[in-house]
Amino acid sequence: DGGITQSPKYLFRKEGQNVTLSCEQNLNHDAMYWYRQDPGQGLRLIYYSQIVNDFQKGDIAEGYSVSREKKESFPLTVTSAQKNPTAFYLCASLYQPGQYNQPQHFGDGTRLSIL
Amino acid sequence: GDSVTQMEGPVTLSEEAFLTINCTYTATGYPSLFWYVQYPGEGLQLLLKATKADDKGSNKGFEATYRKETTSFHLEKGSVQVSDSAVYFCALIQPGTSYGKLTFGQGTILTVHP
Repeated sequence: DGGITQSPKYLFRKEGQNVTLSCEQNLNHDAMYWYRQDPGQGLRLIYYSQIVNDFQKGDIAEGYSVSREKKESFPLTVTSAQKNPTAFYLCASLYQPGQYNQPQHFGDGTRLSIL
Repeated sequence: GDSVTQMEGPVTLSEEAFLTINCTYTATGYPSLFWYVQYPGEGLQLLLKATKADDKGSNKGFEATYRKETTSFHLEKGSVQVSDSAVYFCALIQPGTSYGKLTFGQGTILTVHP
């Protein structure tokens, strides 16, 4: 079955450490997204990518970085500059970003905590 | 900018009770509207959608009608089950937003007791 795979499910970060969250999709979707979810705040967009080798900042990009070297993959790095990284991170994809009536598909998320 | 406001939670109901979760939005033009559901420890799943005024989205006994005049998209279910316990998110996407950005409400936690 096609879908979005996020790994790991749980991740712990030490102070001053960069960590990378994996997101892979086999849906042949063009666009991919990273969201951060905090309790009571809904989802906030970190970064998005419409095509390979292109990505744009979302609403809360500071302290994060991404790459899009392959259509299937959109890893997110949480850098040491992100001072409050504890959250649930969700990756999503969309077949064609110009088709606004299509829903985004989501992975099962990665929960990041500080050691 | 665009925004979505959901009713304050958490909502606690007994099995077979009627459910309403209010959602209102602020947006220019004619956004598409969605309800997503998140079960514990999982990602979001699309529950239903509506893309124009007066459209009714429905799935698994849940319904929501796109009301342009009241800028609302309230979620309803006639008889909830324990398995409906989850977090529900209302969201919109604006036509012409080339990158497909979703704007989410803050989520409403629903707990259904036997």
